[in-house]
Amino acid sequence: ETGVTQTPRHLVMGMTNKKSLKCEQHLGHNAMYWYKQSAKKPLELMFVYSLEERVENNSVPSRFSPECPNSSHLFLHLHTLQPEDSALYLCASSLNTGVDTGELFFGEGSRLTVL
Amino acid sequence: SQQGEEDPQALSIQEGENATMNCSYKTSINNLQWYRQNSGRGLVHLILIRSNEREKHSGRLRVTLDTSKKSSSLLITASRAADTASYFCATEDFGNEKLTFGTGTRLTIIP
Repeated sequence: ETGVTQTPRHLVMGMTNKKSLKCEQHLGHNAMYWYKQSAKKPLELMFVYSLEERVENNSVPSRFSPECPNSSHLFLHLHTLQPEDSALYLCASSLNTGVDTGELFFGEGSRLTVL
Repeated sequence: SQQGEEDPQALSIQEGENATMNCSYKTSINNLQWYRQNSGRGLVHLILIRSNEREKHSGRLRVTLDTSKKSSSLLITASRAADTASYFCATEDFGNEKLTFGTGTRLTIIP
């Protein structure tokens, strides 16, 4: 139990579907992150939120749309995805962002398959 | 962007032996962290070493940092089957403050 919960754990969707990934952290942290993990590649940072404000967007295609309604919840809305978007999507949180952020606490991930 | 690069990419050892993994990076850092990931699961933080530290221990883990060589090593002593996982180094880069990860070392402990 890491204190960061992701749902669903597995998702299969067609290219025309719209779905959302959800992340919830119970650690009282102020920062939340979305990472994408594809086979044989380093983890890719997608989005960073600090106190519900987006502070980082690493040139992610607009078919991925994040939402952070409060510091405990983070969503990733998905629409018109491509097969190459199939990956493990990891949510993480940290106490704060900025210098010496410290360790990240990760959820178990959402395995996405796009057909 | 900067990333840590782990070496070797894969490592298989007998249970009870020590496992050593290395990480190299390119520019100045605030800190370097090691994470473990069991297959298909999330990453779990193992240890953080700051740029002004040279060595750190946590249980059976020993991490060293050589900022002059821009490298770090993770040593797992007396390995167990449960240590089978992928291990990632991540650097918090000076002036960037975002963690960037390497591609990982896949460690297999043979019972």
